[in-house]
Amino acid sequence: QKEVEQDPGPLSVPEGAIVSLNCTYSNSAFQYFMWYRQYSRKGPELLMYTYSSGNKEDGRFTAQVDKSSKYISLFIRDSQPSDSATYLCAMRRGGSQGNLIFGKGTKLSVKP
Amino acid sequence: GAGVSQSPRYKVAKRGQDVALRCDPISGHVSLFWYQQALGQGPEFLTYFQNEAQLDKSGLPSDRFFAERPEGSVSTLKIQRTQQEDSAVYLCASKPGASVISYNEQFFGPGTRLTVL
Repeated sequence: QKEVEQDPGPLSVPEGAIVSLNCTYSNSAFQYFMWYRQYSRKGPELLMYTYSSGNKEDGRFTAQVDKSSKYISLFIRDSQPSDSATYLCAMRRGGSQGNLIFGKGTKLSVKP
Repeated sequence: GAGVSQSPRYKVAKRGQDVALRCDPISGHVSLFWYQQALGQGPEFLTYFQNEAQLDKSGLPSDRFFAERPEGSVSTLKIQRTQQEDSAVYLCASKPGASVISYNEQFFGPGTRLTVL
């Protein structure tokens, strides 16, 4: 079993929909939780990061971390066709030098 | 540009050939990571440098994989005697600091897509 599990989709939604993406993990040592967006043939780019449990909002994006359930989520409001990409969750152990453990990625398509 | 650059962007190798992949991190970034991303998968950690020191190579899949960063800036990932299972995108990332107690964002390059025939 992988340390980080993420449903690969694909997920297809109409423009304007609310999108919910999530990951589960097994290692309780993870303390930093990130969401990356990756367009085709590009490197991942950071969308959101959260330290420990809680919520964080940035524009149309909200990240949630529930350490008791070992579950993290990313919500995208008013989704746009430009949001079509693969979304990767990533985690890092506290006290580590920083190498990230990624989920498999969920491929999202937002239809106009 | 000020981002992480990688070259070549695409590389086709015949099985058994040696390849070298280059990463130019953001100027001044102390930490440099290499990841391997197979098709339909998330990136997987290969190795980590702090300046010129390779502090973690636990993710390198075999002794055919070798990485260096001799002057603490540019890094090269070398794969000897390539095999078909080495086909993947190789991503390089850099971050400003080396702190283990606080968060620094990792900035990723576009990757090198390696195809081994």
